[in-house]
Amino acid sequence: TQLLEQSPQFLSIQEGENLTVYCNSSSVFSSLQWYRQEPGEGPVLLVTVVTGGEVKKLKRLTFQFGDARKDSSLHITAAQPGDTGLYLCAGPPGGGKLIFGQGTELSVKP
Amino acid sequence: NAGVTQTPKFQVLKTGQSMTLQCAQDMNHEYMSWYRQDPGMGLRLIHYSVGAGITDQGEVPNGYNVSRSTTEDFPLRLLSAAPSQTSVYFCASKLTWGGGTNIQYFGAGTRLSVL
Repeated sequence: TQLLEQSPQFLSIQEGENLTVYCNSSSVFSSLQWYRQEPGEGPVLLVTVVTGGEVKKLKRLTFQFGDARKDSSLHITAAQPGDTGLYLCAGPPGGGKLIFGQGTELSVKP
Repeated sequence: NAGVTQTPKFQVLKTGQSMTLQCAQDMNHEYMSWYRQDPGMGLRLIHYSVGAGITDQGEVPNGYNVSRSTTEDFPLRLLSAAPSQTSVYFCASKLTWGGGTNIQYFGAGTRLSVL
């Protein structure tokens, strides 16, 4: 069974700080996705990484896919209160299904 | 822009009661799925469908039934609710079954409590 392990599970930081969230697996994934979920809403896709070593940037968010395609990271520079939410990584274990990590709950205090 | 619509948003059931969670999408997506979200466990796949008339089990299918008679609708049925089914349920859809890079769209969720 392929699993995705996220760390840390909880993160509370001050506005302006940097942070990194990790998503690790013992299995190879053809791609990994990152979602953000706000309270009372469903997850919304932020990015998909496909190629080993790939780096994608979305404003202050930087996503990286590991060379071996077993891990990914999300780095936020100068976090803002609007970044508060649950961040989830997800990947296809085979076919079109998606499995999700446990999530990282981020709180950015002004 | 309706996207994926789930009803109801909230529901309280007594143990043993049955109910159906509704999910509809207006994007002509082939693939639809149901997840449950529990604290510290991310989203776990309950059932999914790759097209009308075709359904299959996910990671946690016990206690739930699904059917897909149309492309648009994918209801989730709880035949005899149990307290362990207290959770937030999300319906999702994407254009096709194949490819892990397809964008999956989620509904806003149904918050279910079973007493």
